[in-house]
Amino acid sequence: QIQLEQSGAEVKKPGASVKVSCKASGYTFTSYGISWVRQAPGQGLEWMGWISGYNGHTNYAQKLQGRVSMTTDTSTYTAYMELRSLRSDDTAVYYCARVRGATDAFDIWGEGTMVTVSS
Amino acid sequence: DIQMTQFPSSLSASVGDRVTITCRASQSINNFLNWYQQKPGKAPNLLIYAASSLQSGVPSRFSGSGSGTDFTLTISSLQPEDFATYYCQQTYSTLPYTFGQGTKLEI
Repeated sequence: QIQLEQSGAEVKKPGASVKVSCKASGYTFTSYGISWVRQAPGQGLEWMGWISGYNGHTNYAQKLQGRVSMTTDTSTYTAYMELRSLRSDDTAVYYCARVRGATDAFDIWGEGTMVTVSS
Repeated sequence: DIQMTQFPSSLSASVGDRVTITCRASQSINNFLNWYQQKPGKAPNLLIYAASSLQSGVPSRFSGSGSGTDFTLTISSLQPEDFATYYCQQTYSTLPYTFGQGTKLEI
């Protein structure tokens, strides 16, 4: 079946970097984009950015510009999100989601990766 | 950026009730509006896309309507499994794809 499998929970110190993976299966990876969304504890959903599964083109949320990078490995059907210079307010669950064409709805979600930033 | 405002932010209802959640965009987004359901500790789940199209596998008691700036999600007869938080999201041509702040539906 179609699914996105994310890497496990991470604990990082302020100033460090984290890289979360999202492995797709059950569909043609290059036919869809992947968006990343995060959710701080008890808060709502925040869109972080998007990457094309076809050509790797990216678009990032302005507030994260310069700290976030999204990449893909089409040979393994895996998307990656790296966030640098971590701060305590980056503590959140990070989700990847498949972006369906035409409407750009997020129709398949990963299970989420908890990233905790603490000294 | 396009701002999405949901109301109410929380709602108490009973099994069998008809419930409506509203989402308003700060500018016209045509019908590029999606609705998601999220249960505690779980990833969001797509319910409605393009304002009124029901995602495959979603029960028919869920429906969406609206166009332009004003949209609604309706649950015709609440079931116990429907108590969750609901988010609207705009996916109009201009990124970022913003979410509403969420509506928590409680018993």
